[in-house]
Amino acid sequence: KNEVEQSPQNLTAQEGEFITINCSYSVGISALHWLQQHPGGGIVSLFMLSSGKKKHGRLIATINIQEKHSSLHITASHPRDSAVYICAVRGETSGSRLTFGEGTQLTVNP
Amino acid sequence: KAGVTQTPRYLIKTRGQQVTLSCSPISGHRSVSWYQQTPGQGLQFLFEYFSETQRNKGNFPGRFSGRQFSNSRSEMNVSTLELGDSALYLCASTRGGQGYNEQFFGPGTRLTVL
Repeated sequence: KNEVEQSPQNLTAQEGEFITINCSYSVGISALHWLQQHPGGGIVSLFMLSSGKKKHGRLIATINIQEKHSSLHITASHPRDSAVYICAVRGETSGSRLTFGEGTQLTVNP
Repeated sequence: KAGVTQTPRYLIKTRGQQVTLSCSPISGHRSVSWYQQTPGQGLQFLFEYFSETQRNKGNFPGRFSGRQFSNSRSEMNVSTLELGDSALYLCASTRGGQGYNEQFFGPGTRLTVL
């Protein structure tokens, strides 16, 4: 079993829909990251969380440390949101080392 | 402020050769981490350097090595290339030190081994 599990693996939505991507992890962490990767490979860090909830524009990320679970929400989705979304965790004693989920391929159709 | 830069962006090598990839972190960042991304294994941690010292190492063979210079620029080297080393190699920089630092990723170097 992977230390970081994401669901779903693939997600297709219509423009305007509310989207949720889930991440569960099995180790103690110091922080959890949500990353976005577009075709071509570049990775952008969306959020870094150690507790609670963060919001940036149409993106919202939440984390429940007790349940070892995090969610990424996209409100009013848009075709430009189409990308791979990756959950990554930093262990309690692992410096900057990240362990990644397999990613969720999101496609938003107009 | 300039972002993380990686050179070269694309590289084609043949089996048995060696390769050196370079990463320049954001100015003021002292920590550089390297990751390998393949379709089969996804993203995997290679190693992390902080103030010229290797602080953490992933589960890769000794053919993979790295170093960091006094200006925080980092290089990674892969010797005796194998077909399975074909991948996107990403580096990420953070300020380092105490606290939960956000990682900033470079555009990656796409290595193809023939």
